[in-house]
Amino acid sequence: EVQVVESGGGLVKPGRSLRLSCIASGFTFGDYAMSWFRQAPGKGLEWVGFIRNNSYGETTEYAASVKGRFTISRDDSKSIAYLQINSLKTEDTAVYYCARGNGILGGSPYYFDFWGQGSLVTVSS
Amino acid sequence: DIQMTQSPSSLSASVGDRVTITCRASQGISNFLAWYQQKPGKAPKLLLSAAFRLESGVPSRFSGSGSGTDYTLTISSLQPEDSATYYCQQYYSIPPFTFGPGTKVDIK
Repeated sequence: EVQVVESGGGLVKPGRSLRLSCIASGFTFGDYAMSWFRQAPGKGLEWVGFIRNNSYGETTEYAASVKGRFTISRDDSKSIAYLQINSLKTEDTAVYYCARGNGILGGSPYYFDFWGQGSLVTVSS
Repeated sequence: DIQMTQSPSSLSASVGDRVTITCRASQGISNFLAWYQQKPGKAPKLLLSAAFRLESGVPSRFSGSGSGTDYTLTISSLQPEDSATYYCQQYYSIPPFTFGPGTKVDIK
């Protein structure tokens, strides 16, 4: 059974950093791109970024709104993807989801077929 | 970036009703469209990809149609468990992946 589980969220002060983890199981992690999304309270889904697999150099793409502050990485030996968030802002408050990318072309996913339950990040002083 | 809109933003229908949700892209996306269902407090669930392709395990009452810029998700006979918010997502021109704002479906 494919599973994706996020962890690492919590209450953080503005300006601090946080690293979220996404632990995957039930599939060959190294074969897939992995992506992060977020959903602010009462709002819709926002794509944050994704990381290609090793065959495509583990290169990353980010939404313009987070580029420069967010970094996605992966450890295929542990089947974990990470989202590092620096200089946290109150507007980063959201549930952060990790998802497996599928329909891949050129290392980039098309759609997202398995999602974790999310990890809540609250940024407040 | 491709902008996605959805209509209606919410609807209320009875069990057994046929429900249609529309998704419109700011430019043609050649069926590079996915639909997701999200229930309160839960993760999104992929329903359809490539505008029409039903994912494994998704009930056949869900279907997709459309072309160019305009797409629809249809629930042929609404069931109580279909109460959720539905999102469309384009993958024609990425990054970024962009979602519609969502359509909330309630059961009368």
